[in-house]
Amino acid sequence: RKEVEQDPGPFNVPEGATVAFNCTYSNSASQSFFWYRQDCRKEPKLLMSVYSSGNEDGRFTAQLNRASQYISLLIRDSKLSDSATYLCVVNINSGGYQKVTFGTGTKLQVIP
Amino acid sequence: NAGVTQTPKFRVLKTGQSMTLLCAQDMNHEYMYWYRQDPGMGLRLIHYSVGEGTTAKGEVPDGYNVSRLKKQNFLLGLESAAPSQTSVYFCASSYSNRVARNTGELFFGEGSRLTVL
Repeated sequence: RKEVEQDPGPFNVPEGATVAFNCTYSNSASQSFFWYRQDCRKEPKLLMSVYSSGNEDGRFTAQLNRASQYISLLIRDSKLSDSATYLCVVNINSGGYQKVTFGTGTKLQVIP
Repeated sequence: NAGVTQTPKFRVLKTGQSMTLLCAQDMNHEYMYWYRQDPGMGLRLIHYSVGEGTTAKGEVPDGYNVSRLKKQNFLLGLESAAPSQTSVYFCASSYSNRVARNTGELFFGEGSRLTVL
């Protein structure tokens, strides 16, 4: 089983729609969680951290479910500019240092 | 701010040739990483460095060597390129990897596209 798993998609949604992605992780010792965004042929960039209580940044909401070992990203009112690949990142504390593991990404295509 | 800069951005090699990818960061970050990204495989860690003069193996280190002679630079070398090393290579840096000080954010360079024929 992969350490971090994501549905590769693509998710094709119309503008204005709400879309949600899930990411599951296998190691229950995972401590911190993030969503990165990667545009086509570009480098990944941090979108948002994921906190235990859930957090929101504008149209984006991230949730963490430790019991079921998954994190989610909800995008409301999708824009064409949201089209990208969304990478789930899980960090595990290993002897005081962080082991960073990336998911393979979920591709989102917002359609006019 | 330049952030993380990788050179070259594109390169075509023949099997058996050698080359070095250079990564430079101007953020005074302690940690630096080299990843490769292949379709369906996601980002895989090749080597990383926790500070000047130190390097460590990541998930897929075979066929690569690295050096961190200066804090701001992290070099990735291919001694004898193979077609399996055709990939997009990303360098990244972070302020610290210590749990207590880690903000969790990795800063990536724009990537280097390598083709080995």
